[in-house]
Amino acid sequence: IAGITQAPTSQILAAGRRMTLRCTQDMRHNAMYWYRQDLGLGLRLIHYSNTAGTTGKGEVPDGYSVSRANTDDFPLTLASAVPSQTSVYFCASSEEGSGANVLTFGAGSRLTVL
Amino acid sequence: AQKITQTQPGMFVQEKEAVTLDCTYDTSDQSYGLFWYKQPSSGEMIFLIYQGSYDEQNATEGRYSLNFQKARKSANLVISASQLGDSAMYFCAMREGLGTNAGKSTFGDGTTLTVKP
Repeated sequence: IAGITQAPTSQILAAGRRMTLRCTQDMRHNAMYWYRQDLGLGLRLIHYSNTAGTTGKGEVPDGYSVSRANTDDFPLTLASAVPSQTSVYFCASSEEGSGANVLTFGAGSRLTVL
Repeated sequence: AQKITQTQPGMFVQEKEAVTLDCTYDTSDQSYGLFWYKQPSSGEMIFLIYQGSYDEQNATEGRYSLNFQKARKSANLVISASQLGDSAMYFCAMREGLGTNAGKSTFGDGTTLTVKP
């Protein structure tokens, strides 16, 4: 089934540890995004990529980094996790980064930083 | 900067009745898209409906329609004939087409809809 795969589904992490959330899509979409959703709130954009080889900062990029080595993969790395990064992380993609292109979301990765 | 406001944290509706979820937006861009997504308690995000800033007619998708009032910068979602399965969180989102924010989708804080039997 075409779509977005995120891993891990859930993770508990000690503060200060490094963590990479994986995101893979098989739809050959050009644009990919990482959002975080805190309890009871909307989604806030962390980083995005309009095409392979390029990335950009979103609304809340501090403490996170991304790479886009190819079309399919868009990993999100927390270099040194802090408790305020406890959240649900959604990876999303769209055919292009503009216009009427609908976002397709992964199932989310629930991260708890202690 | 683009911004989405959803003023109703929670809404209740009786089954089979219609309900309107409010969304206002702020942008200086002339080209933008407005989206509504549904998030059930299971957590996945489901696309419902899209409206382009240049579209003259309100978008409709089955029981969903978008009441687009460009001058007032509002994009309210109307759900007709509510069903129990409509109970979920609903997010309004905007994507600008041009400028430095092109391609980035901004989300509101959502409205939790509860459908009563």
